[in-house]
Amino acid sequence: SQQGEEDPQALSIQEGENATMNCSYKTSINNLQWYRQNSGRGLVHLILIRSNEREKHSGRLRVTLDTSKKSSSLLITASRAADTASYFCATDAIGGSQGNLIFGKGTKLSVKP
Amino acid sequence: DTAVSQTPKYLVTQMGNDKSIKCEQNLGHDTMYWYKQDSKKFLKIMFSYNNKELIINETVPNRFSPKSPDKAHLNLHINSLELGDSAVYFCASSQSNRRNEKLFFGSGTQLSVL
Repeated sequence: SQQGEEDPQALSIQEGENATMNCSYKTSINNLQWYRQNSGRGLVHLILIRSNEREKHSGRLRVTLDTSKKSSSLLITASRAADTASYFCATDAIGGSQGNLIFGKGTKLSVKP
Repeated sequence: DTAVSQTPKYLVTQMGNDKSIKCEQNLGHDTMYWYKQDSKKFLKIMFSYNNKELIINETVPNRFSPKSPDKAHLNLHINSLELGDSAVYFCASSQSNRRNEKLFFGSGTQLSVL
């Protein structure tokens, strides 16, 4: 069953602006991960945040996790045209099979130069 | 020196045919996966193997049969292809099947069943 739901489904911004994508999920999790998918390519892991963490940074990426609201956000600061891609959250649900990540449908981000 | 490579990249075939997709990883990982991405970009796990042993089989029709000859390879064979099988199939691997592992994906095989 689908676990993560990203919001918005599509986002269009200008280069240099910040992009925020949200993910909501339904069941308790061990961790939540964000992946990027460029058009016609496989997914690339961006960042993993554990259930006992609230915020994590990696370069221009900032991820927050609110387990009480069962939601996460991915912020990309100072966006670039190369950030144009689809972004997916994936959850490792408590009680789920080990290694079974459940992906949302993604947010399609378009960064215009 | 691609980490996770799958072939072919494109596969166009007629309904009823049997086809295979191959996947290899050179990362030394123990765990490999097959995911299916539909036309709405929804990505769903199909199978997972850990050290050549099947550990996840997510209600996939038995026309789909994965085979792992060794832990670096996980191939997917599909019998009697149907129109609904058209999708992009991704192979992935992880260090292990423990919690908090990240996945490394191949670039996908776009399957079109006519």
